[in-house]
Amino acid sequence: DAGVTQSPTHLIKTRGQHVTLRCSPISGHKSVSWYQQVLGQGPQFIFQYYEKEERGRGNFPDRFSARQFPNYSSELNVNALLLGDSALYLCASSLVRNYEQYFGPGTRLTVT
Amino acid sequence: KQEVTQIPAALSVPEGENLVLNCSFTDSAIYNLQWFRQDPGKGLTSLLLIQSSQREQTSGRLNASLDKSSGRSTLYIAASQPGDSATYLCAVIRGGANNLFFGTGTRLTVIP
Repeated sequence: DAGVTQSPTHLIKTRGQHVTLRCSPISGHKSVSWYQQVLGQGPQFIFQYYEKEERGRGNFPDRFSARQFPNYSSELNVNALLLGDSALYLCASSLVRNYEQYFGPGTRLTVT
Repeated sequence: KQEVTQIPAALSVPEGENLVLNCSFTDSAIYNLQWFRQDPGKGLTSLLLIQSSQREQTSGRLNASLDKSSGRSTLYIAASQPGDSATYLCAVIRGGANNLFFGTGTRLTVIP
């Protein structure tokens, strides 16, 4: 069975640009969460979606938004990129909320 | 606010040694605790999940324990191998929350 997949693998953007990251959960998983991991730190929670509705939001500015599609895949959008947005963005899926989470390989975003 | 601390930040051991990684959390009202492994620049691999009603979980050479009352968990790795070299992260979900709170990890190096 395929695990959580994310695209693209790597991305380089310029300050002020917009970026869209994509995530496909494990088949049958209805919950998708997004995390940001900067170098040397643990991942920080950005959003959780369950059954296509936002169920949780971390302490991130409104430049960050997300959505979940009918097939349970998800997109994370970041507007007006800042240098500080450079990080590894991780997507996790779980069968139900608050249960064991499985992470994808991440998208490495570099903002120059 | 939930805070998760992992000690030590880095650990270097010779191959074959048994070792213990520590994780502490400030809010004992957790729903579950999950241990992950992360290789450099990669996503997270789930190792063990301990539900709040459980005391420990085992998988192969790994054993994780949970003491909610003291806010502590340990990950025991038996007969360490060079392939165990990675960063180990623990994360908790508080009751009623939708996200994992992560520690900053312990970077393990197993020397052949």
